[in-house]
Amino acid sequence: NAGVTQTPKFRVLKTGQSMTLLCAQDMNHEYMYWYRQDPGMGLRLIHYSVGEGTTAKGEVPDGYNVSRLKKQNFLLGLESAAPSQTSVYFCASSSWDRGTGEQYFGPGTRLTVT
Amino acid sequence: RKEVEQDPGPFNVPEGATVAFNCTYSNSASQSFFWYRQDCRKEPKLLMSVYSSGNEDGRFTAQLNRASQYISLLIRDSKLSDSATYLCVVAPWASGGSYIPTFGRGTSLIVHP
Repeated sequence: NAGVTQTPKFRVLKTGQSMTLLCAQDMNHEYMYWYRQDPGMGLRLIHYSVGEGTTAKGEVPDGYNVSRLKKQNFLLGLESAAPSQTSVYFCASSSWDRGTGEQYFGPGTRLTVT
Repeated sequence: RKEVEQDPGPFNVPEGATVAFNCTYSNSASQSFFWYRQDCRKEPKLLMSVYSSGNEDGRFTAQLNRASQYISLLIRDSKLSDSATYLCVVAPWASGGSYIPTFGRGTSLIVHP
């Protein structure tokens, strides 16, 4: 049982390049989330999904796209990377049941855009 | 005003001390409350859920005050290993029934010998 995994762990991009971050969970969770964490800013929600084939915008969605073609995977795409997207990206998943909602996080992806 | 507010600290305490953190939230419709712990350069991990009646897990006690819209975390007999950032999480139901947690920016705790 691996929980939540993220690939890659580290990446350096040049401005304008694109990339996809992959999140996978093996707990059969309905909900999946992508966050970014910057110093002094806490965790900010980028996009989330409440089930296979559904996605929705979070607090800071601009410059990112997501897809959830399979229940266990949630992809985050950067079409044209900008230095402002330098951050640590965390994926999380949680169960559907109201009142529980414990989130399980992946180890994070450290992205630098130069 | 941010939806979930925490004092960023750092709280610098000696081993064995008791320390308390508060977290205030603005959405009175909030349904679920949690404390997460995050170690440096690591992912957040659930420390404990916060129930209306308050709850205790070993040296940790969490309380909820709905009238004043805050939750608290009390750590007794602090250990060096308690040094971390403690994140307050509040979860109202978003429109359509989606469960969208909101994180505070975290409170840094440093326990020294």
